[in-house]
Amino acid sequence: DTAVSQTPKYLVTQMGNDKSIKCEQNLGHDTMYWYKQDSKKFLKIMFSYNNKELIINETVPNRFSPKSPDKAHLNLHINSLELGDSAVYFCASSPSGSRADTQYFGPGTRLTVL
Amino acid sequence: AQSVAQPEDQVNVAEGNPLTVKCTYSVSGNPYLFWYVQYPNRGLQFLLKYITGDNLVKGSYGFEAEFNKSQTSFHLKKPSALVSDSALYFCAVRDIGTGGFKTIFGAGTRLFVKA
Repeated sequence: DTAVSQTPKYLVTQMGNDKSIKCEQNLGHDTMYWYKQDSKKFLKIMFSYNNKELIINETVPNRFSPKSPDKAHLNLHINSLELGDSAVYFCASSPSGSRADTQYFGPGTRLTVL
Repeated sequence: AQSVAQPEDQVNVAEGNPLTVKCTYSVSGNPYLFWYVQYPNRGLQFLLKYITGDNLVKGSYGFEAEFNKSQTSFHLKKPSALVSDSALYFCAVRDIGTGGFKTIFGAGTRLFVKA
């Protein structure tokens, strides 16, 4: 069984479009995250949710809007896509959001904006 | 703000030889340090972490890391490398954000193990 799953795996779209990426975890974790990995493999946190509440927003453009309908799901909606949004987006979860938490990552969604 | 640095973009090692992937940290207070591995076209996988206690931490796939407070280092090691260890390795530290804890990753080190 997949612990953290993301759909779609690949997303190719035109500039200006709106797209969504979905994430689900079946680990019973309270905390979920979105990360962006750029072409140089640098990994940076975007958002973190704990029990459906936003707890971290790392100065991400407001074109990016996360939504957590329940603590097992964290979706990412992106409006007005730009070339610079091309990256791999990873969802992750951790048990409680504590400092000692280990994170469990999804397989990633490769977004290409043309 | 807390940070980690991985001074090597790439490490090359022959199969069967010991490997070391370096990480240094800059934190205030006690560090919570992690190593993750990323195989091609996959998400990151947890290898090991140092929270407190024994400075030598053992993790998955035969990897271990040594926490060295005086040198502010947390190098990843394995006594005998396998070709299948070839991957991208990230050192990380947990830091407090505005509303909770977040993970700060190093830039990553690509490990190549040659048969």
